[in-house]
Amino acid sequence: EVQLVESGGGLVKPGGSLRLSCAASGFTFSTYSMNWVRQAPGKGLEWVSSISSSSNYIYYADSVKGRFTISRDNAKNSLYLQLNSLRAEETAVYYCARGGSNLSMWGQGTLVTVSS
Amino acid sequence: QSALTQPASVSGSPGQSITISCTGTSSDVGGYNYVSWYQHHPGKAPKLMIYEVSNRPSGVSNRFSGSKSGNTASLTISGLQAEDEADYYCSSYTSSSTPYVFGTGTKVTVL
Repeated sequence: EVQLVESGGGLVKPGGSLRLSCAASGFTFSTYSMNWVRQAPGKGLEWVSSISSSSNYIYYADSVKGRFTISRDNAKNSLYLQLNSLRAEETAVYYCARGGSNLSMWGQGTLVTVSS
Repeated sequence: QSALTQPASVSGSPGQSITISCTGTSSDVGGYNYVSWYQHHPGKAPKLMIYEVSNRPSGVSNRFSGSKSGNTASLTISGLQAEDEADYYCSSYTSSSTPYVFGTGTKVTVL
């Protein structure tokens, strides 16, 4: 079955860190660009970061640049997002999504709650 | 990069057609044919419905169609069904420093 499964979410204090993971299966992970997208409670979708298939090209939303780091391990079919210096307003469901010009597959998401 | 502009809500009766607009600029929607549309039922994974302005992925109903004119893209849902009630988001490639921008989202209600 073709799927993406996120993990690593949880409760963290403001200023804290968290590492999200996304396990891919059922397709050739190493040939696809991958992305993280988040949705805060009651808000819309917000693109966070993208990484090309061989990690040559990496992009971040201005709001997370310098604090979040995207990476991947093609041998493990896994995508990661390191979240540092987290802020309360970054409480959201974080989705990993496959694709370059369009996001053809999404995971179910993992909830990150930033609260003291 | 500002979000693309969508109406907050659109509603229609079963069997009717509705259209959701997505307005950007010449740096995103108007400049590239990389507009996508996503359906999102709360608590579920978003689903790609239209890519590259008007293409449907395999398995997506032909009741969904996309188009673009200038800086505005549109998603039309014909023969509206109860299962179409969801949030819909457009997205576009952009020439800014960040490659993606999403729309503000539209809640579709089937009356």
